Amino acid sequence: AQTVTQSQPEMSVQEAETVTLSCTYDTSENNYYLFWYKQPPSRQMILVIRQEAYKQQNATENRFSVNFQKAAKSFSLKISDSQLGDTAMYFCAFAPNSGYALNFGKGTSLLVTP
Amino acid sequence: GAGVSQSPSNKVTEKGKDVELRCDPISGHTALYWYRQSLGQGLEFLIYFQGNSAPDKSGLPSDRFSAERTGGSVSTLTIQRTQQEDSAVYLCASSPRTSGAGVHEQFFGPGTRLTVL
Repeated sequence: AQTVTQSQPEMSVQEAETVTLSCTYDTSENNYYLFWYKQPPSRQMILVIRQEAYKQQNATENRFSVNFQKAAKSFSLKISDSQLGDTAMYFCAFAPNSGYALNFGKGTSLLVTP
Repeated sequence: GAGVSQSPSNKVTEKGKDVELRCDPISGHTALYWYRQSLGQGLEFLIYFQGNSAPDKSGLPSDRFSAERTGGSVSTLTIQRTQQEDSAVYLCASSPRTSGAGVHEQFFGPGTRLTVL
């Protein structure tokens, strides 16, 4: 079984600052995918960024980047130049290459303040 | 184009009643998923449909839960004899292919918030 752990239930950051959200996972799989999803108050889950485990290069999407440490089974999300619209729940998720269902962590509530 | 839609947006029911939740996936997406999000928890996988294949029901928490997908498109999640612990947000997602969740992004609907009194 795969488990995903997000150790920070809540975080706060000031606008324009940088914040890092932590995620660790446990798996015996060698090929898998990792995701960060954003869930604003509207409840709509939005994919922020994803990483294929076989790729050594960390994924980047505009202000969002990840620090993927495969040996440590760590997958943190860095948000640069935080904006008020980044306020949301952020979920880390794992999926084995052989599967389809996403395994989610419990989420981190991020508040961006002016 | 249109995204995944779900109805109703909110549903309040009394304990013991049956409820039906509907999901309209993105047109052309062959895979459809149901997840449950309880208060303060992450999303929990319930069931997966791929085309005309038999669904993977391994995540359904009890035999009071069932789901069907008609014509490879619209899906309905039915909860019979609802209990208070069934209160949660039920999210539906679809994706264009099934060969590994990571190959294609899962697109989520806005969810149905179910409250069982």
